[in-house]
Formats: sequence, C-alpha cells, structure tokens
Amino acid sequence: KAGVTQTPRYLIKTRGQQVTLSCSPISGHRSVSWYQQTPGQGLQFLFEYFSETQRNKGNFPGRFSGRQFSNSRSEMNVSTLELGDSALYLCASSLEAGRGGLAIPFFGPGTRLTVL
Amino acid sequence: AQTVTQSQPEMSVQEAETVTLSCTYDTSESDYYLFWYKQPPSRQMILVIRQEAYKQQNATENRFSVNFQKAAKSFSLKISDSQLGDAAMYFCAYRRQGAQKLVFGQGTRLTINP
Repeated sequence: KAGVTQTPRYLIKTRGQQVTLSCSPISGHRSVSWYQQTPGQGLQFLFEYFSETQRNKGNFPGRFSGRQFSNSRSEMNVSTLELGDSALYLCASSLEAGRGGLAIPFFGPGTRLTVL
Repeated sequence: AQTVTQSQPEMSVQEAETVTLSCTYDTSESDYYLFWYKQPPSRQMILVIRQEAYKQQNATENRFSVNFQKAAKSFSLKISDSQLGDAAMYFCAYRRQGAQKLVFGQGTRLTINP
C-alpha cells in the first residue's frame, strides 16, 4: 500500500506570494492533519480534516487555510507569504479521526517551503 | 492545554549499547495515546512505538521499548543494541482520546558512535 504523498517536495516563493501544498493520504484513510516544523518553534499543529470537514485548527493566522476533498486528498494554502513561513510542512493521515480505538497517524515526506 | 517536554536536546551512545530518551507530559485527560516518532536526515517522520494510556503493560517493538509511568506522566524510550541507523531526531507525542491532533515535544537528537 502506498504511503502518504506530498507535492511538491520543495518550493521557493517570494514574500507576498501565495502557495498551495497537496497531500494524498494512504488509501482508505479519511483523516488528514497538517503540521509546520521550524527549528525555532518545533512541530506545530495547523489543522485537521475528516470527511471534508475541518475538525480542529491550530493557533495560526487566517493566512493559513486548508480543505479536504471527497477522495480525502487535502490541500493547504498560505496567502501573503512572510519570511517566517519558511518551514517543513508535514501531512499525516490515519484511518479515523480518533473516536474510539487507536488511529495511528502516518506522515508524508513533507514539503520544504522557502520564502525569500 | 497539553504539553510534552523532552529535557534532553542531544544524546549520544556507542553502537550496540543501550540508551534511554526521556519524555514527560502534562494533561488532565485520563484517556490518551503516546507515541515516539523518529525523524532521520531524510525528514520522513517514522512511527517507532505507541502506548495506549489505559494499558498498564509497557509497549515493546523489537529493540525499542517504553517505560510508561502514568501517575508520574512519564514516557521514556529505551533503545537496546543501538545501531548506526538509529541516528535521528526522536519526538515524543501526545494525542488525547477522540482527537487527531498530536502535541509534540521539542525532540532529542540521537547520535550513534561506531
């Protein structure tokens, strides 16, 4: 079974631009969550989707948004990029949103975003 | 809010030796899950081991085992017979029952000396 895939793997943008990152979960997984990883702040939760609905959102400005499609693929968008948005963006998928039972999050390889 | 603390930014161990990475967490929940993830230089986050809070028995996966102390809110990872391929950043993570969100510690960089 193929793992979580993220595209693109690397991205370079300039301040003020916007960017869209894509995540395809493991087949059969309906829950997708996103994380931002930086050397200073570590791993921080962005948002979580299950069956096309955002179930939870982290403490990030409104410039960060996301969505999930009917095939469970998810996208996140960052508008008006700032230098501080440079980070590794990780996506994780799991079988369910964690209601009862253990739903293990499996991670993709990440998208490295550099903002110049 | 739940927090996870890894007090050892860096650890090193000789190949074939045993090393223990520490993790403490803070929560008022009674049902939750704990994880150790490994992130090698490739940056791919790989699950090492997981523990359900309601289980008293410590989880074990081959050379990896945990010491889960629920009352003390401690969740340490023991790596036996360390191998060069174990070199990576190790993250401890918490997830409460009914949620998908993981709360991560700051990580411990593990170096294996040949």
